Amino acid sequence: KAGVTQTPRYLIKTRGQQVTLSCSPISGHRSVSWYQQTPGQGLQFLFEYFSETQRNKGNFPGRFSGRQFSNSRSEMNVSTLELGDSALYLCASSSLWGTEAFFGQGTRLTVV
Amino acid sequence: GIQVEQSPPDLILQEGANSTLRCNFSDSVNNLQWFHQNPWGQLINLFYIPSGTKQNGRLSATTVATERYSLLYISSSQTTDSGVYFCAVEPRTGAGSYQLTFGKGTKLSVIP
Repeated sequence: KAGVTQTPRYLIKTRGQQVTLSCSPISGHRSVSWYQQTPGQGLQFLFEYFSETQRNKGNFPGRFSGRQFSNSRSEMNVSTLELGDSALYLCASSSLWGTEAFFGQGTRLTVV
Repeated sequence: GIQVEQSPPDLILQEGANSTLRCNFSDSVNNLQWFHQNPWGQLINLFYIPSGTKQNGRLSATTVATERYSLLYISSSQTTDSGVYFCAVEPRTGAGSYQLTFGKGTKLSVIP
């Protein structure tokens, strides 16, 4: 069974640009959640999607958005990039609330 | 929201030594997982353990849900065990949305 796949693995963007990251969950998993990891703030929850609906959102500005498609693949978008958005972005998939979550390899975003 | 505290923050061990990592959480949980973050940033699942005891080779974990803590035991440590270990929980009071709250991690260094 294939694991969680995130693309791209690395990105370098300029301040003010926007970026889209992709996450393909484990087959059969309908929940996809996104996390941001920085040295200062650690791992923080961004948002979670289930069956194309955003069920929960963390404390991030509106520049951070996401969506989920009918095949459960998810994308997150960050607009008007700031230097502080430089981070490792991790995606997790799970089948149901309370069950084990599995993470992808992450996308490392650098904003210059 | 739920608070997760991990201790110790840093741990240096001689190869072959044993260690215990602790995770305290502030509320009832529906899910608790231990992860090892590899040098490339991926979170590797170690245990899904909302309660009870599990063992996997040299690693074992115990969660005492009524007392709100979990322990990760590493025996006969090897240099490949080095890295950051995270505890993550999902509160029982969640709104049915999958959201993990992470501790700040324990950075383990195993020296030959």
